[in-house]
Formats: sequence, structure tokens, C-alpha cells
Amino acid sequence: DIQMTQSPSSVSASVGDRVTITCRASQGISSWLAWYQQKPGKAPKLLIYAASSLQSGVPSRFSGSGSGTDFTLTISSLQPEDFATYYCQQANSFPPAFGPGTKVDIK
Amino acid sequence: QITLKESGPTLVKPTQTLTLTCTFSGFSLSTSGVGVGWIRQPPGKALEWLALIYWNDDKRYSPSLKSRLTITKDTSKNQVVLTMTNMDPVDTATYYCAHGLYYFDYWGQGTLVTVSS
Repeated sequence: DIQMTQSPSSVSASVGDRVTITCRASQGISSWLAWYQQKPGKAPKLLIYAASSLQSGVPSRFSGSGSGTDFTLTISSLQPEDFATYYCQQANSFPPAFGPGTKVDIK
Repeated sequence: QITLKESGPTLVKPTQTLTLTCTFSGFSLSTSGVGVGWIRQPPGKALEWLALIYWNDDKRYSPSLKSRLTITKDTSKNQVVLTMTNMDPVDTATYYCAHGLYYFDYWGQGTLVTVSS
């Protein structure tokens, strides 16, 4: 099975900051990677798929990059509604695996 | 628009079998290229993928839980059912169903299932 790791596990940031989250797969997954945002008590929301494709309706301040084993989610200018936990998910092979999450909170 | 909603018991006893139903609208599970998956999340922990059913009735399961899981669909009712046998307190989690094959673009609100005697 492919294992996913994320760093950092948490980050404190201010509105307007640029935030970068990293996700690493235990083996190459090409571009088969998604990013989700989850707020407390809510279901996850798909932000990015295929490593860099923005899901419809997601603000352009979110972007994804990477391929192979190393991937990045960037929020170019953090907004109040962006404080949440972010998960990556590999879709290259079964079983799909999620990363442990990165919590973005207010500095 | 696509919506999904999970239903089932909120409390089960250890060793019992859990049956969850996902009722959806806005798509058909008989359409080629469509799938519905189940994902769970223990309180304060990360997401864990459980199972997926395809439009053609192909099924995939988490290897670590495969012996305990069964996923089925009823296309006429727009429902997907997940059963998990031999429930244990460590199975306490919010269980989500979601639309998608590789990525999950629509999710239900989730249902919290507590396993306790």
C-alpha cells in the first residue's frame, strides 16, 4: 500500500499570508493526487485533483503542484474562511490513501 | 445537483454488524464511469478510505478491513449500502459516502457511529 505523509502537521498563519503544505507519497503516483479542505463538523471539500487542477468553484488562491512523490498545496493569500484542516489523497492505486492532515490555524 | 446522505444507527454494540445506507440524487450509479465510496473518520483523526462500488458492480475494499466489509448498490433506489461486521469500539467514527472513482467531489454530511456496550 502507498503511504502518504504531510508536513507540517500544523501551521499558524495570519490573513494575507502565503501558506504552503507538502505531501509526500511512499512511492511514485504520477499526478494522481487530490487535496481536500475540511472544517470542523463538516465533510471534506475537494480543492485540487490531478495534482494541479482546480475543482470548479474553488478560489484561484488555491494551487497545487508536483508529480511523482512530492506535492505542494499553496494558498497564495490566506483568507479567514481558509482556516481548516487540509488532507492529500493518492488515487494512483488501491487502496486510496489520505495523508494525516495539516491544520491551518490563526496566528 | 448531486447530493448524498448517510443513514443508519448512531450506536451499535461490540460484535454487532453495522449497516449504513447512502441515498443519493443527481446522478445514476448505472451510468458508465460513476462510483460511490465510503470513507470514515474517527474523532479527531484522519480520513480512512473503506470501500468503493462502480457503476458496473465492481467493488474494491480496504485490505485491512476487507473481511468485514460488504458494499452493494440498489440502482433503482439510488442507494449504496455498506455493512461492517464484528464492530469494535475502535470503529467509532463519522462515516461518509462520497461520489467519485479516483477523487471524491461530492460528499454526504456524514453520520457518527459510536460502538459501545
